Amino acid sequence: AQSVTQLGSHVSVSEGALVLLRCNYSSSVPPYLFWYVQYPNQGLQLLLKYTTGATLVKGINGFEAEFKKSETSFHLTKPSAHMSDAAEYFCAVTSSNDYKLSFGAGTTVTVRA
Amino acid sequence: DVKVTQSSRYLVKRTGEKVFLECVQDMDHENMFWYRQDPGLGLRLIYFSYDVKMKEKGDIPEGYSVSREKKERFSLILESASTNQTSMYLCASSQQGSSQPQHFGDGTRLSIL
Repeated sequence: AQSVTQLGSHVSVSEGALVLLRCNYSSSVPPYLFWYVQYPNQGLQLLLKYTTGATLVKGINGFEAEFKKSETSFHLTKPSAHMSDAAEYFCAVTSSNDYKLSFGAGTTVTVRA
Repeated sequence: DVKVTQSSRYLVKRTGEKVFLECVQDMDHENMFWYRQDPGLGLRLIYFSYDVKMKEKGDIPEGYSVSREKKERFSLILESASTNQTSMYLCASSQQGSSQPQHFGDGTRLSIL
């Protein structure tokens, strides 16, 4: 079974500052990893995913994440925060032999002007 | 773009009622999912369907059932609603294969009084 831990339930950043959201996973087989974003009163929207190949993955809205097998991590970053980045972010893991997507508890990002 | 439509954004029901939550997707996806989302717990899988009339229990199926009579429609049923089922319910769909991202509806916020 896979699981995900997101470090920090709330992150506050200044506009223009780096956004760093931490995700560590547990999986006994090669993982597939996803980051989703949820804006208020909306469903989840895919930001990016890692399945195989290049470990640095670029997504929408200027976000990227790096798969580090040795650290079992898949941290999400954005160089310069924008007010529109205020949302809740979820990391999720599955694998090729599983249909279930296991989600982290989520990290809420607030952006200060 | 994939469109996953949930029939109600907000729903208020009474304890003991039978409640139906409907979800329709327009991209001919094989897989459909029902999750509940609670603060601090992320998303938890209730049921999953990989084909018409096929279903599998997720992590928290107790008190729920599902129906998938047509490929595009996946219904969640609360047989006898209880107050601890007050939550946000999210429907998702995806193509076959665990590397495929899930596409989410906007959610139904259900209150059981």
